[in-house]
Amino acid sequence: NAGVTQTPKFQVLKTGQSMTLQCAQDMNHEYMSWYRQDPGMGLRLIHYSVGAGITDQGEVPNGYNVSRSTTEDFPLRLLSAAPSQTSVYFCASIPLSGTGDYEQYFGPGTRLTVT
Amino acid sequence: DAKTTQPTSMDCAEGRAANLPCNHSTISGNEYVYWYRQIHSQGPQYIIHGLKNNETNEMASLIITEDRKSSTLILPHATLRDTAVYYCIVRAYNTDKLIFGTGTRLQVFP
Repeated sequence: NAGVTQTPKFQVLKTGQSMTLQCAQDMNHEYMSWYRQDPGMGLRLIHYSVGAGITDQGEVPNGYNVSRSTTEDFPLRLLSAAPSQTSVYFCASIPLSGTGDYEQYFGPGTRLTVT
Repeated sequence: DAKTTQPTSMDCAEGRAANLPCNHSTISGNEYVYWYRQIHSQGPQYIIHGLKNNETNEMASLIITEDRKSSTLILPHATLRDTAVYYCIVRAYNTDKLIFGTGTRLQVFP
């Protein structure tokens, strides 16, 4: 298994541009989520999904959209990039939902800079 | 989700045990305690989790107090590669969201 993969690894955007961060997992996990991590800070939850066709907001959803058309993929879209969205973005997945007794797998991250 | 309190930073000599404390005084009966770590800016890595009983795996041990208001992560023989930020997280059984705090930065020195 490749685990959780993210592309691209690095990205530079200009203010106002849009783009999609890709996340995929090959473990057939139901639950997937996106976090952002600003310098010197912990991770903050942006959006999450408990299965194909189901998404919900996390702590900091503004400026981001998500969709979940398949179990494997969970892309994060930045509609109009702003310098405040400069951060490292992590995607994660979980094999089960609703039990609490499991570990979460994280991808390697995407470093985004908005100028 | 219950909030957690961790020291900002700790030091540990290589080869010695690293004991990382976490306070979660408002934890509920259905909330698990999880520990993750993040080395440099890599994705967080799962270490261990528990509900009531102490747990041990190949990486670490987790000691949870009887009242469950605090816990300690123990790395029995710390190495330089254990230098990382360690996050203590509590989560209810009926939610899949992990809420990260700022963690403890552990520095292992030679």
